[in-house]
Amino acid sequence: EDQVTQSPEALRLQEGESSSLNCSYTVSGLRGLFWYRQDPGKGPEFLFTLYSAGEEKEKERLKATLTKKESFLHITAPKPEDSATYLCAVQRGSNDYKLSFGAGTTVTVRA
Amino acid sequence: DTAVSQTPKYLVTQMGNDKSIKCEQNLGHDTMYWYKQDSKKFLKIMFSYNNKELIINETVPNRFSPKSPDKAHLNLHINSLELGDSAVYFCASSQDRGFRTGANVLTFGAGSRLTVL
Repeated sequence: EDQVTQSPEALRLQEGESSSLNCSYTVSGLRGLFWYRQDPGKGPEFLFTLYSAGEEKEKERLKATLTKKESFLHITAPKPEDSATYLCAVQRGSNDYKLSFGAGTTVTVRA
Repeated sequence: DTAVSQTPKYLVTQMGNDKSIKCEQNLGHDTMYWYKQDSKKFLKIMFSYNNKELIINETVPNRFSPKSPDKAHLNLHINSLELGDSAVYFCASSQDRGFRTGANVLTFGAGSRLTVL
């Protein structure tokens, strides 16, 4: 059974205070690791896909990295608009290519 | 233009009733999904259809029945609603089931919040 564990569950940051979110996973043949952002009352919105260990992707203040066992989402100098729940998901490379999500990390950035 | 639209956005009903949630995507995607998000924000896949064919059918009660009349639509019908069915149900779509790199990026609808009293 694929497993995705995200930590911490919640993160409260001061504006400008950089931090990292963790996503550790076990999956049968990783095909891709995905990061999504979810705002209250909305559906998740795609941020990044990472395919192999050592890969990095950046978008504005966010940077995602991948190792063989975990992924990190680094938030550099966050702003209040970065407040959201960040979801990690893994896709296995089998017949159904199922995507399994973690429970998310809720980030609150105070001005 | 809304890419993935689902209706209704809110649904409040009594235990034992039957209800449906509809979903439509205008992205030309081949694959559609239903996910359930519980109060702890955990997103769990329920069903997936690829070109109207059921490809993922997770362990959910058979009171839940998906129907895909064409590849742009995926509806969810729930019979004999129970208190534990209260959740937010998300419809999503992707280019395909993931054969091609990048083709399994999901586009989600805004969610349908179901409350069973």
